[in-house]
Amino acid sequence: DIQMTQSPSSLSASVGDRVTITCQASQDISVYLNWYQQRPGKAPKLLLYEASTLEIGVPSRFSGSGSGTDFAFTIESLQPEDSATYYCQHYDTPGFIFGPGTKVEIK
Amino acid sequence: EVQLVESGGDLVQPGGSLRLSCAASGFFVSNTYVSWVRQAPGKGLEWVSLLSSGGRPYYADSVKGRFTISRDSSKNTVYLQMNSLRDEDTAVYYCARGQGASDYWGQGTLVTVSS
Repeated sequence: DIQMTQSPSSLSASVGDRVTITCQASQDISVYLNWYQQRPGKAPKLLLYEASTLEIGVPSRFSGSGSGTDFAFTIESLQPEDSATYYCQHYDTPGFIFGPGTKVEIK
Repeated sequence: EVQLVESGGDLVQPGGSLRLSCAASGFFVSNTYVSWVRQAPGKGLEWVSLLSSGGRPYYADSVKGRFTISRDSSKNTVYLQMNSLRDEDTAVYYCARGQGASDYWGQGTLVTVSS
């Protein structure tokens, strides 16, 4: 079974900072990797799919890269509303595999 | 406008049953993949079950044999029948649309399993 890991598990950064989260798959998943944002008490929101494609309506300060087993998610110029937990996710028959999440806090 | 609205969450005793509903609007559940994803208090996201557009169900090992996913196309609703509930099934349950990536999610419904 494929396992997903994320690092760091949490981070604290200032408004305007560049933030990067990494996600690693236990085996090659090509570009089948999605990123979600979940604010406290809210449902997850799709930000990027297929590693680097921005979902419609998502600000361009969010970006993703990678293929195979190693992926990165970047927030350029962190904003107060970006305080949330971010999850990577792979789809593999028979279902979804989520990473453990990275909590992003604003200093 | 695409919307998913979950209902049916409740407090139930261990060993009990519950049926969750996910009412969809703005698209047809009969030609779309719909999943259930849960989140235990203070924990991460866990995929539970998926119903393909062709009607094939898939389950996480943790719920296989206890949960059943189904749909009623006439009501445009997907269901999750949960039997033999355990303490560890306590979570907010979300339904979500999509095969590879879930682009729309409901607001979630809370299931609490406790005596």
